[in-house]
Amino acid sequence: DAGVIQSPRHEVTEMGQEVTLRCKPISGHNSLFWYRQTMMRGLELLIYFNNNVPIDDSGMPEDRFSAKMPNASFSTLKIQPSEPRDSAVYFCASSVPGGYGYTFGSGTRLTVV
Amino acid sequence: KQEVTQIPAALSVPEGENLVLNCSFTDSAIYNLQWFRQDPGKGLTSLLLIQSSQREQTSGRLNASLDKSSGRSTLYIAASQPGDSATYLCAVGEAGTALIFGKGTTLSVSS
Repeated sequence: DAGVIQSPRHEVTEMGQEVTLRCKPISGHNSLFWYRQTMMRGLELLIYFNNNVPIDDSGMPEDRFSAKMPNASFSTLKIQPSEPRDSAVYFCASSVPGGYGYTFGSGTRLTVV
Repeated sequence: KQEVTQIPAALSVPEGENLVLNCSFTDSAIYNLQWFRQDPGKGLTSLLLIQSSQREQTSGRLNASLDKSSGRSTLYIAASQPGDSATYLCAVGEAGTALIFGKGTTLSVSS
């Protein structure tokens, strides 16, 4: 298995532009998580899905952020419009129920200028 | 709301030394506790998982313990090596929720 695959690895965009981050979880994992990592705040949960259904989106900073999981093999995190304070590393992770096999992708480093 | 704290934030040791990393959490009603390793610019790699009914787990030179009643976990690294240099993150899982992470301890092992 190739693990959790995220794209792009790096993204540089101008303030106000739309940004879409992508994630392919491990086949057979039915939970998917989006986290954001910054030096100041560490690793924060943004949203997670069970069986493609959003369970907890309380970590999504504001309405500019949205996430979808149209099927078991694909998820997107969209920021529209982007702001400089959104600059961070965004991680996607997947697991089986109970938190076992929690596997992280390599992350997307987002820079908003 | 569950909070996870890791002390110290950074640690430097000479090669060969045994060391302990600490993790504390505020709500003892956890499902499991995991330790992860993160290398610079990389994702997180799971090291050890301790279920709430267990007291410890071991993998090679690593040993993690869990004391739910006191809200503490420790990661013991024996005979440290330069290749152990990384950030170590503790995370707690509660039933029906995602993992909640501490901010990590950045370890530097000098040769």
